[in-house]
Amino acid sequence: GENVEQHPSTLSVQEGDSAVIKCTYSDSASNYFPWYKQELGKRPQLIIDIRSNVGEKKDQRIAVTLNKTAKHFSLHITETQPEDSAVYFCAARSPGGYSTLTFGKGTMLLVSP
Amino acid sequence: GAGVSQSPRYKVAKRGQDVALRCDPISGHVSLFWYQQALGQGPEFLTYFQNEAQLDKSGLPSDRFFAERPEGSVSTLKIQRTQQEDSAVYLCASSWTGQGTYEQYFGPGTRLTVT
Repeated sequence: GENVEQHPSTLSVQEGDSAVIKCTYSDSASNYFPWYKQELGKRPQLIIDIRSNVGEKKDQRIAVTLNKTAKHFSLHITETQPEDSAVYFCAARSPGGYSTLTFGKGTMLLVSP
Repeated sequence: GAGVSQSPRYKVAKRGQDVALRCDPISGHVSLFWYQQALGQGPEFLTYFQNEAQLDKSGLPSDRFFAERPEGSVSTLKIQRTQQEDSAVYLCASSWTGQGTYEQYFGPGTRLTVT
């Protein structure tokens, strides 16, 4: 089955800096890659996603890039703010199943004012 | 509209007790997923429903775990004879099954603590 590795496990930045979180996946046929933000005690919230036929997608301060050849994708957050502090999860969907997602272990992002 | 809701939000069970966790998906969402999230980990797939049909239960860790969605809307995850290793947050997610639609929307989860 699919395996997703996520790095780093924790990331501390100063407000205004950029943050990058990287994930690799094992199934070259995976075709959908969402990113979720989870604040303490809250539900995971979908913040951006990308499909395998696209190399990059942006939404205001966040962007996701996908390198299918290398089987990795990254989340980029620019101009970080304290409210960006949360745990971020990447995930991958293998096409053979029922849209089941395989998640990375998460990255705790801490943005200091 | 309303998002995915789950109840109870917190459940404490003594080892050996049975528990039932409820999920109300977004109205009209055909697909429903259950995930288990251990402390400090990402969600792990348990089972999947399309309407009332349970199409994938490959992630259920043992035969003590049972899920149902009898009318294709509300779903219940039942854990029999709970063990300490069952302590985790149980997340439900729903999705509209349309052509090329993969987005899943999560509920707030039920935190189960087995003592």
